[in-house]
Order: sequence, then structure tokens, then C-alpha cells
Amino acid sequence: DAGVIQSPRHEVTEMGQEVTLRCKPISGHNSLFWYRQTMMRGLELLIYFNNNVPIDDSGMPEDRFSAKMPNASFSTLKIQRTQQEDSAVYLCASSPQRGGRDTQYFGPGTRLTVL
Amino acid sequence: EDQVTQSPEALRLQEGESSSLNCSYTVSGLRGLFWYRQDPGKGPEFLFTLYSAGEEKEKERLKATLTKKESFLHITAPKPEDSATYLCAASRGETSGSRLTFGEGTQLTVNP
Repeated sequence: DAGVIQSPRHEVTEMGQEVTLRCKPISGHNSLFWYRQTMMRGLELLIYFNNNVPIDDSGMPEDRFSAKMPNASFSTLKIQRTQQEDSAVYLCASSPQRGGRDTQYFGPGTRLTVL
Repeated sequence: EDQVTQSPEALRLQEGESSSLNCSYTVSGLRGLFWYRQDPGKGPEFLFTLYSAGEEKEKERLKATLTKKESFLHITAPKPEDSATYLCAASRGETSGSRLTFGEGTQLTVNP
């Protein structure tokens, strides 16, 4: 299996622009997670989906952030009007659903730099 | 609120010098305790899952153990290639999916 695939691996943008990050989960996995990782705050869960349905988006920092999962093999995280504080590594993970004992497998991440 | 705390923040060892990393957790209804390894510029790589107090798992030079309040990752005779950040995460029982609460990580450096 190819594992979780994320693109792009690196994104550099200017403040105020919009970026879209992409994730392809492992085939057969029911759950998909978006995390943000920074030195200051560590790994923070932004949102997670179960069977393509958003379950908990309480970690999304503000309405500039939105995520979609149109089908079982693709998800996007969009950040509008980017700010310098959005600079971070964005990680996507997927897991099979087995009631709380599921291992999450991570992609390589997208490093976002907002100038 | 669920909390996971790792110590120490950073650890430097000489090659062959065994040690342990600590992960303390406060999670109601713990379903699983996960250990990951993260190398610079990469996503976390899964190492172990522990489900109940007293459980132990081993992989090469690493052994993970679990009590009701904490987990330890023991590293025996480490090598420079074991240098990485080790992350601990706890999962609570939920009906939909599995949400992980991560610790801040321990950055391990093994000098030759």
C-alpha cells in the first residue's frame, strides 16, 4: 500500500492568499484526520471525518479554515486569507474504524510557509 | 479535559546507554495508548499500541509498557539511528472514529 498521500509537500504563499492542501487516505480506511503541527503547540487536531462525514471540527481555528471529504479517497483542507500564524506543518492521517482502538497512519505532511 | 504529558522534553544518550521515556495521561475511558516516532521533515511513524495496564510490546531495541496512569518507552542499547522525536498519544472510547490526544514529544539524540 502507498500509505497516506499528501500534496503539495511544500507550499509558500503570501499573506492574504488562499491555499488548498490535499490528502488521499489509505484505501479501506473509514476515518480521516487533519492535524496542524508547530513547535509552540505541538500536534493539534483540526477536524476528523468518519465515513466522509465531519464528526468534530472544534479544532478548526477560525472560519478561514474549511475541510471537505467528497469521497472515501480524497480530502481537502482550505485556508483562506492566510496569515503568518498559519505557517505550520499540516498532517493528514487515516485509520480503519474499530471503535476507539484504531491506529492512525500519517502522511508526510505539507509544510506551509506564509510570507 | 484529556491530557497527555511527556518527559523529558529532550534526552541525549551515548550509544549503548539505555534509558526510558515517560508518558503520563489523564484520559477518561482510555481505549488505547499509542507510541509514534517522528523524524525531521516526516510524518509520525506508528510504533506500538497498548490497550490495558500491564501490557508490554517490543520491537528491536524498544519496549513499551503501560500502567493505569503512565506509559514508558524503554530504549535498550540505543544506536544513533534511534535519534528522533517520540510521541505518545491516548485514545478515548468514542462511538465514531478514534480521536487521539498527543503529548508534546521527547526529542532523543543518540551520540556515537
